[in-house]
Amino acid sequence: GAGVSQSPRYKVAKRGQDVALRCDPISGHVSLFWYQQALGQGPEFLTYFQNEAQLDKSGLPSDRFFAERPEGSVSTLKIQRTQQEDSAVYLCASSFEQGGLPYEQYFGPGTRLTVT
Amino acid sequence: AQSVTQLGSHVSVSEGALVLLRCNYSSSVPPYLFWYVQYPNQGLQLLLKYTTGATLVKGINGFEAEFKKSETSFHLTKPSAHMSDAAEYFCAVRVGYSTLTFGKGTMLLVSP
Repeated sequence: GAGVSQSPRYKVAKRGQDVALRCDPISGHVSLFWYQQALGQGPEFLTYFQNEAQLDKSGLPSDRFFAERPEGSVSTLKIQRTQQEDSAVYLCASSFEQGGLPYEQYFGPGTRLTVT
Repeated sequence: AQSVTQLGSHVSVSEGALVLLRCNYSSSVPPYLFWYVQYPNQGLQLLLKYTTGATLVKGINGFEAEFKKSETSFHLTKPSAHMSDAAEYFCAVRVGYSTLTFGKGTMLLVSP
């Protein structure tokens, strides 16, 4: 079946522009995660949804970052007034998990954001 | 808070040689431990995980890892490297219902 998909795969934005990154999770997956992966680093947690509820947004680096999942399926990560330090790969992951044992998180290919 | 340390940002082996990628974790409670692999321009793929039970865990592509609580380690091994194993490998820890905390990754280079 289809895996996690993300679009666009690559995005170049000028400093100060707003961007929106989309994640389509695996059908039926309750949990959805966003991670930020800077060059040469491991992924770092940004935010977590269970269905449409955003249960944890402690990893969002600033109030310029906003995520939503209004119908409990597709999610959008929005970055306002992009800065050069926002340049990174943004990874989305989904899983069956509903707060029990840690089911596998399935990762999408990521969106590479470059802010010039 | 939990953390992960991966020793060596790059590891080079010859094809057919043993692969050993090191991971140490810090956690105040029993952790769940994971190894992921990332090929260029692709997302992360789960190799194996330790949750409870047997401390020697076997994963895909011939990889295995052993959870050693006394050493707070979860090193990844493979008896014989293939060229197709060249990729970046990430160790991750999760405590309870929290999210994954990743190490900085180790790039595995395999030479003929």
